Amino acid sequence: KAGVTQTPRYLIKTRGQQVTLSCSPISGHRSVSWYQQTPGQGLQFLFEYFSETQRNKGNFPGRFSGRQFSNSRSEMNVSTLELGDSALYLCASSAGSKSETQYFGPGTRLLVL
Amino acid sequence: AQTVTQSQPEMSVQEAETVTLSCTYDTSESNYYLFWYKQPPSRQMILVIRQEAYKQQNATENRFSVNFQKAAKSFSLKISDSQLGDTAMYFCAFIKTNAGNMLTFGGGTRLMVKP
Repeated sequence: KAGVTQTPRYLIKTRGQQVTLSCSPISGHRSVSWYQQTPGQGLQFLFEYFSETQRNKGNFPGRFSGRQFSNSRSEMNVSTLELGDSALYLCASSAGSKSETQYFGPGTRLLVL
Repeated sequence: AQTVTQSQPEMSVQEAETVTLSCTYDTSESNYYLFWYKQPPSRQMILVIRQEAYKQQNATENRFSVNFQKAAKSFSLKISDSQLGDTAMYFCAFIKTNAGNMLTFGGGTRLMVKP
């Protein structure tokens, strides 16, 4: 099976812009979780989607949003970008909804100038 | 809320030797899972090993094994016969049972394997 894929891999934006990141889970996986990784804050959970429904949300402002499509692909959106949003955004997929092992994608490196 | 602490920001080990990475966690939950993930310099996060809290037996995966002490809330990773390819960031992570797929990570330990 193909692994988790994320697009784009690298992105440069300026403050105030918005960005959309995409994640395709492993075939058959229905849960997608998103994480932000920064040197200062480490790995922080953003949100999780299962069967097109957001099930959990981390402690991030409303500028961070996401959605999941019927084919389990997920997107996350960050509006009104700030310098502090520069990070590696990781997507992980898992087969089911109950504390499953998560498999990570390569990440999208976002740089906000 | 759960917290995961990795007290060793950096470690190094000689090739072929054994190294142990420490992890402690704090939770009021009795049912949960613990993981060790590896993130090599290429950035792809890879699962190393998984431990179910209800199992007393420590998990092992080839050269990787854990020492799970539930009462002490400790979950250390032992890497035997270290290889150059083991050089990476290692993250300890916690997830509650039946609460969705929301991992809480420790701050990570950077492991360097020296030839």
